Amino acid sequence: DIQMTQSPSSVSASVGDRVTITCRASQGISSWLAWYQQKPGKAPKLLIYAASTLQSGVPSRFSGSGSGTEFTLIISSLQPEDLATYYCQQLNSFPFTFGGGTKVEIK
Amino acid sequence: QVQLVQSGAEVKKPGASVKVSCKASGYTFTTFYFHWVRQAPGQGLEYMGIINPSFGSTTYTQKFQVRVTMTRDTSTTTVYMELSSLTSEDTAVYYCVRGGSVVGTRRNDPFDIWGQGTVVTVSS
Repeated sequence: DIQMTQSPSSVSASVGDRVTITCRASQGISSWLAWYQQKPGKAPKLLIYAASTLQSGVPSRFSGSGSGTEFTLIISSLQPEDLATYYCQQLNSFPFTFGGGTKVEIK
Repeated sequence: QVQLVQSGAEVKKPGASVKVSCKASGYTFTTFYFHWVRQAPGQGLEYMGIINPSFGSTTYTQKFQVRVTMTRDTSTTTVYMELSSLTSEDTAVYYCVRGGSVVGTRRNDPFDIWGQGTVVTVSS
């Protein structure tokens, strides 16, 4: 199975800050990567797929990049409603494993 | 609108089985894959497996291979996930999720619609 490793496991930032989350795959996955946002007590929501394509309706302050084994999710200007845990997921091969998550907190 | 509505919370004793349902609406049921994902309390997301609702074919993660059964009923546009031989480690929220299109075998497409989750508690 492909292992997905996210860092950091948590981050605390102020409103308006730029937040960067990294996801590494244990082997190359091309651009078969998705990012999800999970707010407390809710189901996850798709943010980005194919490493860099924004899902319809997702604010443009979210962006994704990378290919192969290293990927990044950036929140360009953190908003209070971005309080959540973010997960990456590889879709290159079965089973479609998730990273351990990054909890984003507002200072 | 497209939505997945799951069955209610369950409390089971160790050794028992649980069957969670997920009713799809707002689109043609047989045209998109379904996946099941679970999340233990305070933990991350764990992928369980996939079902093709058109043929009923399944693929399970090795960890759950011997204990999980995913089925579908096209007449009621409902998919089911049954997990047997429950232990306390199976206490979790179980999500059904819509995946890629069956047409073109797009198994690798992202998970765009999530059910609300079903809490399964295993306790003696």
